[in-house]
Amino acid sequence: EAQVTQNPRYLITVTGKKLTVTCSQNMNHEYMSWYRQDPGLGLRQIYYSMNVEVTDKGDVPEGYKVSRKEKRNFPLILESPSPNQTSLYFCASSYAGDYEQYFGPGTRLTVT
Amino acid sequence: GESVGLHLPTLSVQEGDNSIINCAYSNSASDYFIWYKQESGKGPQFIIDIRSNMDKRQGQRVTVLLNKTVKHLSLQIAATQPGDSAVYFCAENPTGNQFYFGTGTSLTVIP
Repeated sequence: EAQVTQNPRYLITVTGKKLTVTCSQNMNHEYMSWYRQDPGLGLRQIYYSMNVEVTDKGDVPEGYKVSRKEKRNFPLILESPSPNQTSLYFCASSYAGDYEQYFGPGTRLTVT
Repeated sequence: GESVGLHLPTLSVQEGDNSIINCAYSNSASDYFIWYKQESGKGPQFIIDIRSNMDKRQGQRVTVLLNKTVKHLSLQIAATQPGDSAVYFCAENPTGNQFYFGTGTSLTVIP
């Protein structure tokens, strides 16, 4: 089954404790992206990647890092999480030049 | 950043009626627009897209209209069904790789 998977689905952590949210897709998509979703603000793009070893900042990249060492994986790293990063995070992927993005199920992160 | 807004945060329609969800965008250079549907507890799901060189595109029970003069986008759902209840987002693509989403309209279908 074609899908985008994210782990963990739920995470509660404390300020400053480094964490990684994994994202994997099995559709051989070149393009991958991370979004955060907050009430009243919709989805905002954090980072995106056009292909392996190619990443770029989205609209709200501060406090986040990403890497794209393999085509299928695009982890989101929070080196020192803060409470304002409490949010619902979505990973998405698509073929390059095809704007139909496939979204993962989401990761709900709470930073206390 | 870009501003993509929606005219109404909530919309209720009777089952079988047509639904119209509106969206305003700010960047006249945006080349591509997409509508997504998000059901409760799930990630957004692609519905339909339209390029800036078109003013109308139809899918199965859905039609997207684009008015570049007033920077307005709408999604029309024909014969709305209970399964259409969800939050609907418009998104614009002003550059090749970045996307800006609206805040969403929550559609409730009344049986």
